[in-house]
Amino acid sequence: LAKTTQPISMDSYEGQEVNITCSHNNIATNDYITWYQQFPSQGPRFIIQGYKTKVTNEVASLFIPADRKSSTLSLPRVSLSDTAVYYCLVGDLRGSTLGRLYFGRGTQLTVWP
Amino acid sequence: NAGVTQTPKFRVLKTGQSMTLLCAQDMNHEYMYWYRQDPGMGLRLIHYSVGEGTTAKGEVPDGYNVSRLKKQNFLLGLESAAPSQTSVYFCASSYSGQGISNQPQHFGDGTRLSIL
Repeated sequence: LAKTTQPISMDSYEGQEVNITCSHNNIATNDYITWYQQFPSQGPRFIIQGYKTKVTNEVASLFIPADRKSSTLSLPRVSLSDTAVYYCLVGDLRGSTLGRLYFGRGTQLTVWP
Repeated sequence: NAGVTQTPKFRVLKTGQSMTLLCAQDMNHEYMYWYRQDPGMGLRLIHYSVGEGTTAKGEVPDGYNVSRLKKQNFLLGLESAAPSQTSVYFCASSYSGQGISNQPQHFGDGTRLSIL
């Protein structure tokens, strides 16, 4: 299993940029890195996904170094509504390897006014 | 568009009882998954399915059985419930992507199961 390690919690203030790093030393060649957001009493929701270098969408950026042993989710100018648990998922999402998916324990991000 | 719907949302069982959790998706996804989420443990994969009529074990399959008789439904069964199975259960589905790996999972809002 491609185990992942994330900080248990992080704090920030509104308007700041937040960077959450995930370590995945055993990432395999065909593994993708996906980040999810989870609010209380809801299922996780997809944020962003990447394989290498940098990916950006309307809500976040994902930075992946050349060795792919870690990744950083960047949330620009966070607001109170970004308070949630963020999960890093590493795995090969083809049918033959779905059993290797590992979500990790997540990072509780708390944004303060 | 309902997405992924889980039934029931809450349930309390006594040790030794059996029950089935139902997951239904309306996105025509090939892949479906069952996870459990416990405090401080993140989400752990119980079983998954890559298509109708097929199932496979995930990280923590013991004590659970699954069936995928129809493409849109994925059932999780507890034959003899134990207190250690008290958890929040999430179902998810994803498109197979025809071999492309980068297909995100879509989750339901969970079933909260307590076993006394």
